[in-house]
Amino acid sequence: DTGVSQDPRHKITKRGQNVTFRCDPISEHNRLYWYRQTLGQGPEFLTYFQNEAQLEKSRLLSDRFSAERPKGSFSTLEIQRTEQGDSAMYLCASRRQGAYNEQFFGPGTRLTVL
Amino acid sequence: QKEVEQNSGPLSVPEGAIASLNCTYSDRGSQSFFWYRQYSGKSPELIMSIYSNGDKEDGRFTAQLNKASQYVSLLIRDSQPSDSATYLCAVRGKAAGNKLTFGGGTRVLVKP
Repeated sequence: DTGVSQDPRHKITKRGQNVTFRCDPISEHNRLYWYRQTLGQGPEFLTYFQNEAQLEKSRLLSDRFSAERPKGSFSTLEIQRTEQGDSAMYLCASRRQGAYNEQFFGPGTRLTVL
Repeated sequence: QKEVEQNSGPLSVPEGAIASLNCTYSDRGSQSFFWYRQYSGKSPELIMSIYSNGDKEDGRFTAQLNKASQYVSLLIRDSQPSDSATYLCAVRGKAAGNKLTFGGGTRVLVKP
């Protein structure tokens, strides 16, 4: 499978716990994006990496959220002290360098905070 | 005003008919426009991209872009029950590498 992969696919946690999600982009893609999607809404941008550099962060990304892409390959998104409002689908997308190249999404991680 | 607007639907279409979906955007500097299909519980799947004014056809799908009117549309010809899904319009702003801004999606129901 040469697509974007995400792990885990589902995560149930209790409020206040920390969670970490992983994204493996398509191998030749140097741009990586995280989005969050809640029911009935379109995906909302969270953050963007070009290689290992985090170049843009949404104001939606509170201090409890942190993302890394240490070697410019896979990325992790950590949420500390989870809240019920964090329940959502967390989507990762990647694309090749170039002005018009498309973003391809992984299957997502469904987070439920109890 | 939302940055990208779509009618939420549902858009009910008889099998074999043409489904017409519309999207408007507010950033006049936007350069790239995308349509994604999303089945319930799944992630968005790219089906069309368009960058210049006019029409772009791919199989049963046609994307239409009018930058002057800040309007992009998607036509689905010969609609099939398997086309029943939510269709998301996404726009990429002027700066290279930037995020996609999505509309809320239009739910399409194709009835046999």
